[in-house]
Amino acid sequence: SQQGEEDPQALSIQEGENATMNCSYKTSINNLQWYRQNSGRGLVHLILIRSNEREKHSGRLRVTLDTSKKSSSLLITASRAADTASYFCATDTPDSWGKLQFGAGTQVVVTP
Amino acid sequence: GAVVSQHPSRVICKSGTSVKIECRSLDFQATTMFWYRQFPKQSLMLMATSNEGSKATYEQGVEKDKFLINHASLTLSTLTVTSAHPEDSSFYICSASPIKFTDTQYFGPGTRLTVL
Repeated sequence: SQQGEEDPQALSIQEGENATMNCSYKTSINNLQWYRQNSGRGLVHLILIRSNEREKHSGRLRVTLDTSKKSSSLLITASRAADTASYFCATDTPDSWGKLQFGAGTQVVVTP
Repeated sequence: GAVVSQHPSRVICKSGTSVKIECRSLDFQATTMFWYRQFPKQSLMLMATSNEGSKATYEQGVEKDKFLINHASLTLSTLTVTSAHPEDSSFYICSASPIKFTDTQYFGPGTRLTVL
């Protein structure tokens, strides 16, 4: 079964707008990671946030983690057409090191 | 750095044949590699964990006799889909974890398997 659930399932925005997607999970985690996947391609690692961290930034990406609510959010600011992709969260739990469990993903379409 | 390759990128085969997929870490050593399967418009599902020099650990519901995994060296793991059937058609993705940085996995570009 999947650890993470993401919403929305799909998101359509225009260039320059911000995109926010959320991920909820069920059990305790070591860390939570966000990945991007372009259609038919492999995964690109975006950012990792540890269970003792609350917020992290990387370029136009901002990730938050609320362990009390078992949820995380990914914000992409000033989106570009090249950000069009599927975004997945993945969790690494204390009892299964390295075995990432992926959320269902959010498909983001950025139109020029 | 930290590049993982997969070969082939696409394969089409007839039902009943076996297909081997290679996963290589090109510029680092990986004691652990992971194999995932992804059906169209779905998420990645972990199939098995491959450790160099030992037997792979399969996730519940994954047939070990169907999906043979060999991790012969610190840079190569192979997945063989035996007696493939159309329902095995999927996107197979591997990832590799460098020895020193245990939080990090690097993903290969994936292999699209189509079984006719």
